[in-house]
Amino acid sequence: QKEVEQDPGPLSVPEGAIVSLNCTYSNSAFQYFMWYRQYSRKGPELLMYTYSSGNKEDGRFTAQVDKSSKYISLFIRDSQPSDSATYLCAPNSGNTPLVFGKGTRLSVIA
Amino acid sequence: KAGVTQTPRYLIKTRGQQVTLSCSPISGHRSVSWYQQTPGQGLQFLFEYFSETQRNKGNFPGRFSGRQFSNSRSEMNVSTLELGDSALYLCASSLGTSASNEQFFGPGTRLTVL
Repeated sequence: QKEVEQDPGPLSVPEGAIVSLNCTYSNSAFQYFMWYRQYSRKGPELLMYTYSSGNKEDGRFTAQVDKSSKYISLFIRDSQPSDSATYLCAPNSGNTPLVFGKGTRLSVIA
Repeated sequence: KAGVTQTPRYLIKTRGQQVTLSCSPISGHRSVSWYQQTPGQGLQFLFEYFSETQRNKGNFPGRFSGRQFSNSRSEMNVSTLELGDSALYLCASSLGTSASNEQFFGPGTRLTVL
């Protein structure tokens, strides 16, 4: 079983839709959960960061962590064409290098 | 504040050659990590340098090596290139070690091996 599994998509949604991006992981030592966003021809940038289980909201973005099922989600409300990018999850233990999911490619169609 | 810069941005090499990629971190950042990104394997950790010392190494063959200079700039080298080394190589810098500090990525070097 891979340490981090993420559906690569591609995922295509109309503007204004709610988007749900998900990852599963196998390492129970992971305590920190990050989402990176990568635009075409750019490096990834940190989008959201949560610690342990629960929800965190930042504008139109909500990160959700369920440690009991080792499942992490990123929700995007009122999606915009500018949200079109690849989204990578990166759970982490805090003392080892980041392990990234393969990323989900999202297209938001105007 | 200038971001992470990587040179060159694009590179074409042939099998058997070697290549050196360069990364300049954000001023003040002491950690530099290198990643390989491919469509099939995603983003995979190569190695991390902190204060000129390699702190962690990913699961890559010895053909992949790196170093960090006293000004925190880093280089990675790939010897005896193979077709499968074609990828986007990303470098990321952070204030402290990558495990507990936000990493800032450069735009990457796109390496094509023919």
